[in-house]
Amino acid sequence: TQLLEQSPQFLSIQEGENLTVYCNSSSVFSSLQWYRQEPGEGPVLLVTVVTGGEVKKLKRLTFQFGDARKDSSLHITAAQPGDTGLYLCAGPNDYKLSFGAGTTVTVRA
Amino acid sequence: SAVISQKPSRDICQRGTSLTIQCQVDSQVTMMFWYRQQPGQSLTLIATANQGSEATYESGFVIDKFPISRPNLTFSTLTVSNMSPEDSSIYLCSVEEGAARELFFGEGSRLTVL
Repeated sequence: TQLLEQSPQFLSIQEGENLTVYCNSSSVFSSLQWYRQEPGEGPVLLVTVVTGGEVKKLKRLTFQFGDARKDSSLHITAAQPGDTGLYLCAGPNDYKLSFGAGTTVTVRA
Repeated sequence: SAVISQKPSRDICQRGTSLTIQCQVDSQVTMMFWYRQQPGQSLTLIATANQGSEATYESGFVIDKFPISRPNLTFSTLTVSNMSPEDSSIYLCSVEEGAARELFFGEGSRLTVL
């Protein structure tokens, strides 16, 4: 059983559409991180959310941390083919970082 | 943020052989982490490597299969021993920074075992 549940598992959309990826847990986290991994590369950190209810924006990407710090979402506005990749949420779990199963996003031109 | 280099970036190996992956960091770090990413899957922590002590392995991973070296604060190796096709994966080296324990990864080593 994953500590962090991500949904959906796969998402395929047309360029210009919006999308949202969810990361949920029954546990409270001190922070949550979002990574994007492109084919042939290691994951790259996009953002860390720390405060319950926090919203962070990174160009067309909006990240939200739930008030209870058990969940997070990533919203992409007007998706572009360059947004294609595996999106992973992760949170501190004891001495290590636990990862969600990931959401594979494909943006078609 | 730390810059991490891994090699090889990819390799095709024969069943029963062993392969050592190298990870070099551009700054001194206390802990280095080795992850496995099986095809289409998320990341699973194999072990944590501290300089000057034995690596700490996660459940399901053992030192005989995945021996790790950590000779100094900027370098580590992971060996995948006696490989089988089930070991075909991407192996990733990473380091953490900051109070939020953000991870920075190498580009990964993609192993295919025939």
